[in-house]
Amino acid sequence: DAGVTQSPTHLIKTRGQQVTLRCSPKSGHDTVSWYQQALGQGPQFIFQYYEEEERQRGNFPDRFSGHQFPNYSSELNVNALLLGDSALYLCASSFPHGLAGFGTQYFGPGTRLLVL
Amino acid sequence: QQPVQSPQAVILREGEDAVINCSSSKALYSVHWYRQKHGEAPVFLMILLKGGEQKGHDKISASFNEKKQQSSLYLTASQLSYSGTYFCGTETDSGGSNYKLTFGKGTLLTVNP
Repeated sequence: DAGVTQSPTHLIKTRGQQVTLRCSPKSGHDTVSWYQQALGQGPQFIFQYYEEEERQRGNFPDRFSGHQFPNYSSELNVNALLLGDSALYLCASSFPHGLAGFGTQYFGPGTRLLVL
Repeated sequence: QQPVQSPQAVILREGEDAVINCSSSKALYSVHWYRQKHGEAPVFLMILLKGGEQKGHDKISASFNEKKQQSSLYLTASQLSYSGTYFCGTETDSGGSNYKLTFGKGTLLTVNP
């Protein structure tokens, strides 16, 4: 059973450009969350998708947007890239757990984005 | 608001015990604990829901004091494989099923032979 997969693994962009990152959740998982992890910091929650809709959102500007497809895979889009957007972007999937809020999350290996 | 973890770093010899603390200024719905090894994805350890429960997983256990908005992770008889950065994530409910999960800055644990 494949775990959470993300693509690409590494990406280099220049300021002002746009980027799309992709995530495939673990089999049986229907919820996908995205995180930004700067060097030496904990993951920061960007947003969460469930049933193809954004369900929760952290304190990130509208430049950060996402999408979830019917097969539960997800994309993270970042427009007008800034130098400060350089980070490891993690995707995490979770299964229906019958509880409100976040459940057990399985993280992917991440996409390392460098903005020059 | 980001939870505060302490200590920032700890070095152990194999077989020693450690405690990592996590505190929040907000009322918490749950506390999550993850371990991340260098260059790898965070790996789930456990979730504690409000109610003051204590959970265990092999030689790693945790407690959650809802009133004090604090959680502690206990690692006993540490093994080399325990090395990594431990993150606590505090989950809050802003009302209307609006949940937020905020991770601390992490505690770097190094276990030496």
